[in-house]
Amino acid sequence: DAGITQSPRHKVTETGTPVTLRCHQTENHRYMYWYRQDPGHGLRLIHYSYGVKDTDKGEVSDGYSVSRSKTEDFLLTLESATSSQTSVYFCAISVQGQPNEKLFFGSGTQLSVL
Amino acid sequence: RKEVEQDPGPFNVPEGATVAFNCTYSNSASQSFFWYRQDCRKEPKLLMSVYSSGNEDGRFTAQLNRASQYISLLIRDSKLSDSATYLCVVPPRWRAGGTSYGKLTFGQGTILTVHP
Repeated sequence: DAGITQSPRHKVTETGTPVTLRCHQTENHRYMYWYRQDPGHGLRLIHYSYGVKDTDKGEVSDGYSVSRSKTEDFLLTLESATSSQTSVYFCAISVQGQPNEKLFFGSGTQLSVL
Repeated sequence: RKEVEQDPGPFNVPEGATVAFNCTYSNSASQSFFWYRQDCRKEPKLLMSVYSSGNEDGRFTAQLNRASQYISLLIRDSKLSDSATYLCVVPPRWRAGGTSYGKLTFGQGTILTVHP
């Protein structure tokens, strides 16, 4: 357990509404990631962060924004949710101080956009 | 060739059997590889890392074949608790300075079911 918690665990929302998912870590890790997982696509990187206020886009960043104002929190925002954003969202951290080495994942957020 | 490709299975094996999965990758510059295990409706968890030719951990053996660009996962003496989806992970090309950050590529996973 690398001290990662995601909230909420489940969310149902309507198309066009804003949604923010939170990832919180307790061990001061530098690198944090947001992935989504969909059948037929596997895990895909949305955004990642390599420090406070340092973020970058992943392969499926359209429609998503992120913020990291504190080391422990990495927020993922869907400005205007669409049905194609229905998915399971996982936050992850890199342990051992190196990016992409030994990721630990949070328990996930099941998001349904109706 | 896709960046990472796995046989989705499902592999359906009896307890005690030996089963192997392969994962092919296209980025010949990748230096390290990982196998993750994901149980149904749970998060992926790191199973093994592969940095050189291979790695063994109890009943699990991961091997790397750089010439043919694939990694494999061998499970011996399968247990019911081994039933899960196994994800192959390939990091991006190493950048100057020895760090590689950015997009990890996950395979879609291979489903394993071990039955009594």
